[in-house]
Amino acid sequence: ETGVTQTPRHLVMGMTNKKSLKCEQHLGHNAMYWYKQSAKKPLELMFVYNFKEQTENNSVPSRFSPECPNSSHLFLHLHTLQPEDSALYLCASSQPGTKGGEQYFGPGTRLTVT
Amino acid sequence: GDSVTQMEGPVTLSEEAFLTINCTYTATGYPSLFWYVQYPGEGLQLLLKATKADDKGSNKGFEATYRKETTSFHLEKGSVQVSDSAVYFCALRDDSWGKLQFGAGTQVVVTP
Repeated sequence: ETGVTQTPRHLVMGMTNKKSLKCEQHLGHNAMYWYKQSAKKPLELMFVYNFKEQTENNSVPSRFSPECPNSSHLFLHLHTLQPEDSALYLCASSQPGTKGGEQYFGPGTRLTVT
Repeated sequence: GDSVTQMEGPVTLSEEAFLTINCTYTATGYPSLFWYVQYPGEGLQLLLKATKADDKGSNKGFEATYRKETTSFHLEKGSVQVSDSAVYFCALRDDSWGKLQFGAGTQVVVTP
């Protein structure tokens, strides 16, 4: 138990569906992250939020829409996805401004797009 | 820019064998270095870390020493178990915001 939870753990959706992934951290951190992990590919950083403000978007397609209503919660809204978007989506949190402050990861949401 | 290079896997070895996973980095500043482990079906867990040169991180029998002169942070364990089968990621953090740069990951398979 890392203090970061993600729901759902598994999600199957069609290309025309709209769904959301949820992440919650109980660590008092002020930075949150979305990563995509695909088979045979390196971990890809998608979005970074610091103190609820988006500070990084790594050229992620607009069909992925993040939302950070407060420092404890992070959402990833999904719509009109493609089969190649099937992957494990990982959320993480950390405390900015701390030397050596590590990221804590949730267990991930396994997404399958049909 | 910052980058992390780690040895490709899979690394297959027998129980009780010695494990080394090489990791080298490039960074402009003085990064903190991490090893994360991912067991099948799970997220990443922090295994160990080091924040300055010559620091040694250790946990669960694993060790890694921050070598600034060789820009390396190799992971070692003296006697692996089947339960150590996982993917291991080397990472660095070179800014105060906490963003990590990950290596590609090395899969380790330990057989009985």
